[in-house]
Amino acid sequence: KQEVTQIPAALSVPEGENLVLNCSFTDSAIYNLQWFRQDPGKGLTSLLLIQSSQREQTSGRLNASLDKSSGRSTLYIAASQPGDSATYLCAFGAGSYQLTFGKGTKLSVIP
Amino acid sequence: EAGVVQSPRYKIIEKKQPVAFWCNPISGHNTLYWYRQNLGQGPELLIRYENEEAVDDSQLPKDRFSAERLKGVDSTLKIQPAELGDSAVYLCASRLEVFGVHTEAFFGQGTRLTVV
Repeated sequence: KQEVTQIPAALSVPEGENLVLNCSFTDSAIYNLQWFRQDPGKGLTSLLLIQSSQREQTSGRLNASLDKSSGRSTLYIAASQPGDSATYLCAFGAGSYQLTFGKGTKLSVIP
Repeated sequence: EAGVVQSPRYKIIEKKQPVAFWCNPISGHNTLYWYRQNLGQGPELLIRYENEEAVDDSQLPKDRFSAERLKGVDSTLKIQPAELGDSAVYLCASRLEVFGVHTEAFFGQGTRLTVV
């Protein structure tokens, strides 16, 4: 069974700091990895999708990387803002079109 | 373009009562997922549809849960009878599969179910 681990479970940083969120997975047969954001009481908002043939994707202040050999993905957030406070989830995409989620990292950006 | 639409947003029911959730995916998306998310946890798959066919329902508690996707578009998820442990957020997602390429998955706002 695929396992997706996100460390740390919670992170608190001062506004303006750059930060990295980590996601690790056990199965090297990955098709893609997708990062989501979830605000309290809301659904999931897609941030970035990295296909297995890609090494990274960028959107604004966000950069996600994928290292299949080590089973890791990172989400880099530059110049963090209080509005970035949310829970960030990564999802492993398998060949069966399943999406397996980690438990998320709860980010708090302090003004 | 409208995203994935779910209704209702919130539902409170007494245990042993039935409940149903509805999902309208993004137009043209052939793959539809139902997930359940408990507090502080990541979403867990209940069932996945390819068009109108349920291709992965191994995690669906079939004694009380049922789902259908009529004409490969809208989908409903039903619980009968509900138990206290069913309290969670139920999320619907959709994506377009094109020639084996896994495109971006989009989620609805979810239905928060409370069983009392």
